[in-house]
Amino acid sequence: NAGVMQNPRHLVRRRGQEARLRCSPMKGHSHVYWYRQLPEEGLKFMVYLQKENIIDESGMPKERFSAEFPKEGPSILRIQQVVRGDSAAYFCASSPSGHVLGHGSPLHFGNGTRLTVT
Amino acid sequence: GENVEQHPSTLSVQEGDSAVIKCTYSDSASNYFPWYKQELGKGPQLIIDIRSNVGEKKDQRIAVTLNKTAKHFSLHITETQPEDSAVYFCAAKVVRGGNQFYFGTGTSLTVIP
Repeated sequence: NAGVMQNPRHLVRRRGQEARLRCSPMKGHSHVYWYRQLPEEGLKFMVYLQKENIIDESGMPKERFSAEFPKEGPSILRIQQVVRGDSAAYFCASSPSGHVLGHGSPLHFGNGTRLTVT
Repeated sequence: GENVEQHPSTLSVQEGDSAVIKCTYSDSASNYFPWYKQELGKGPQLIIDIRSNVGEKKDQRIAVTLNKTAKHFSLHITETQPEDSAVYFCAAKVVRGGNQFYFGTGTSLTVIP
């Protein structure tokens, strides 16, 4: 049972280019979350999606950033016109739909995409 | 929204000693509390979790306690080993209209051989 798959593992972009980060959730999971992590810092929530719906994007910058989770295929985090401050590790996590006894289910993380903007 | 605080930010212990990491949360509606271990270059991995109807849970050398009244929960690692060295994150989940997780800022644990 494959875990959460993220690709690429490392991505280098020049300032002004676009970055596309992909995430395939665990089999059977329909909830996807994206987090950003700067070196030696915690996990900063960006966006929470279900299939074809954005549930919560309160942590995502209003400009240049977008996310989608289509009916078919992986979830995509897209960063347009990247700047040096976008350099970070971006983690995707997934969880199954619904709740377990009303308490929720854990997140399962991928190994991240490390974006470097030069 | 929920606010999760985690202490200490760094922790060094001798091999074989115990390590304790503490977290507090603010939203009384939070009812699920997972702990994650992140090794260098990898994503966080779930190591143990506790639900709000339980006060303590143990899995071999790892235990978690929850005090709902005081709104705090702790991770206890006994008989620490060098491979326990990693960054540990606590989280609280509010099941209200969705599954939103709130993470602590992490504790970097170093186990000295």
